[in-house]
Amino acid sequence: IAGITQAPTSQILAAGRRMTLRCTQDMRHNAMYWYRQDLGLGLRLIHYSNTAGTTGKGEVPDGYSVSRANTDDFPLTLASAVPSQTSVYFCASSDGGTSSYNEQFFGPGTRLTVL
Amino acid sequence: GQNIDQPTEMTATEGAIVQINCTYQTSGFNGLFWYQQHAGEAPTFLSYNVLDGLEEKGRFSSFLSRSKGYSYLLLKELQMKDSASYLCAVLDSNYQLIWGAGTKLIIKP
Repeated sequence: IAGITQAPTSQILAAGRRMTLRCTQDMRHNAMYWYRQDLGLGLRLIHYSNTAGTTGKGEVPDGYSVSRANTDDFPLTLASAVPSQTSVYFCASSDGGTSSYNEQFFGPGTRLTVL
Repeated sequence: GQNIDQPTEMTATEGAIVQINCTYQTSGFNGLFWYQQHAGEAPTFLSYNVLDGLEEKGRFSSFLSRSKGYSYLLLKELQMKDSASYLCAVLDSNYQLIWGAGTKLIIKP
């Protein structure tokens, strides 16, 4: 089934632990994105990648890192989780990073709680 | 700074029409998107406007005025399944989407 998958669906994590959220797409999209969504706030961009091998920082990159070794995968790593990183994380992809028509397709999300 | 404003919550009656407004101030403009997000689910694409005017797609229409920094989403013949949050997002000069906080639409029978 074409689309974006994320894993895990949800996770409870102790503060200070390292965690990697996985994201895989099979639409051969060039661009991929990681957002966090918190109650009362809009989606906020953490990191993005316009093409395999390149990454960039979004609005709220601190405490997070990403890699883009190939077209399909875009993992997000929290090196040392803190409670303020409790959020719902969405991965998204689009056909072109610098295209005006840049419809983004979203994965189902990962609900992360840091205690 | 960049800013997108939309009402936090709206209530409407099944079968009626509702208009959700969005105003924006961004560094550049390369298009405006509306997404629908049901509770606990991912956002899904509804509409895209890059030129001034009205785009119609079934029961949903979206309007854009670039000179006013303004858009609205019009939902007709409301159904209970339209209860969701509606997110306005602008593609800025760096081709990044800037998102509003969303409008929660409650449909009453």
